[in-house]
Amino acid sequence: GESVGLHLPTLSVQEGDNSIINCAYSNSASDYFIWYKQESGKGPQFIIDIRSNMDKRQGQRVTVLLNKTVKHLSLQIAATQPGDSAVYFCAEKGGNTPLVFGKGTRLSVIA
Amino acid sequence: NAGVMQNPRHLVRRRGQEARLRCSPMKGHSHVYWYRQLPEEGLKFMVYLQKENIIDESGMPKERFSAEFPKEGPSILRIQQVVRGDSAAYFCASSPSLGGTGELFFGEGSRLTVL
Repeated sequence: GESVGLHLPTLSVQEGDNSIINCAYSNSASDYFIWYKQESGKGPQFIIDIRSNMDKRQGQRVTVLLNKTVKHLSLQIAATQPGDSAVYFCAEKGGNTPLVFGKGTRLSVIA
Repeated sequence: NAGVMQNPRHLVRRRGQEARLRCSPMKGHSHVYWYRQLPEEGLKFMVYLQKENIIDESGMPKERFSAEFPKEGPSILRIQQVVRGDSAAYFCASSPSLGGTGELFFGEGSRLTVL
């Protein structure tokens, strides 16, 4: 289930289940979005990106959905594995503005 | 094909000392970004530099913080007279020259602890 931790919301899923991580972005002028994965003690690692002229993009085991009407982004991870446990950040960018990161969601995979 | 290199990975300073964090971008990348991350929080943009130029420093505190990206050598984030509130992880990212997608490639970060 999903719960709000001290600072980061946490999503706990069973190994093998699908995970859905949600993100509400703030700037309607943003036209490029990225999902990053950050493992403990490491830097953010690129997962998948999407431009505003698309509403869905698929990668290997991951899918990003973009709903510009409600400024919502989601990351779907199929067949979640223990190695997927990390904090996931969405990031948005518009024009020449720097990449702006969301708050993050901690994904915890239960074996 | 080395990624973004940051050093030191861990730095301990006493209040009032100076901290210097270094970042070498990926080969062929001329755009460097610095972000700060507090525990259990997201990354906050600080500054964006190209070689010898500061492009956007809207996220940099007005005092004690400075950044440079010289023609030769790594980018440096300098924090003078550190205070406990400066304790954080500082991440550097780089992107290619014109034509890049906007994706940033991050280093492993420098973790500053101020005693």
